[in-house]
Amino acid sequence: GQQVMQIPQYQHVQEGEDFTTYCNSSTTLSNIQWYKQRPGGHPVFLIQLVKSGEVKKQKRLTFQFGEAKKNSSLHITATQTTDVGTYFCAGWRDSNYQLIWGAGTKLIIKP
Amino acid sequence: GAVVSQHPSRVICKSGTSVKIECRSLDFQATTMFWYRQFPKQSLMLMATSNEGSKATYEQGVEKDKFLINHASLTLSTLTVTSAHPEDSSFYICSATQGTYEQYFGPGTRLTVT
Repeated sequence: GQQVMQIPQYQHVQEGEDFTTYCNSSTTLSNIQWYKQRPGGHPVFLIQLVKSGEVKKQKRLTFQFGEAKKNSSLHITATQTTDVGTYFCAGWRDSNYQLIWGAGTKLIIKP
Repeated sequence: GAVVSQHPSRVICKSGTSVKIECRSLDFQATTMFWYRQFPKQSLMLMATSNEGSKATYEQGVEKDKFLINHASLTLSTLTVTSAHPEDSSFYICSATQGTYEQYFGPGTRLTVT
């Protein structure tokens, strides 16, 4: 079963509001990746975080990797309709070269 | 960026028949390819990991005799769903890496078993 918890499962926001999704692993990860999947599409790689405490930004998206390398977050500032989709985290465990996926958080913009 | 193709994009087959899905990395050599299954509105479920020239590593609960994976070259992996049944109907997605951890996904194959 999955060992990376991702919450929330869904988040409804008004356009312009912020959005955050969190991933927590039961074990230390060597790195963590984030993907976005648009409705009807396939996952697209967004970013990879490797270092403890790392923070990376891509325009309105901010990615963080926890100090213990067990948790990560993705924050979107001032959401736009183009942000709609499901955001997945995926963590690598070097111990057995295994990639573990979160369940995804679906971002929904309220009409 | 790196491109991964999948063929076919959609397939409908009768119960009991076998279906082969191809995954190709078009402009890079993929050291590792992954096969996923995705049910509607759900997360990706990793089925197996395959490295070129070696046997695939299947995730717990995935029947290796039912989902045959072959990774014959650095640009091609195939997934064969043997003796397909309606419960095998799903969206199958492959991804490939060059060894840098970043995965490049194919567009997926929609399998419908009637």
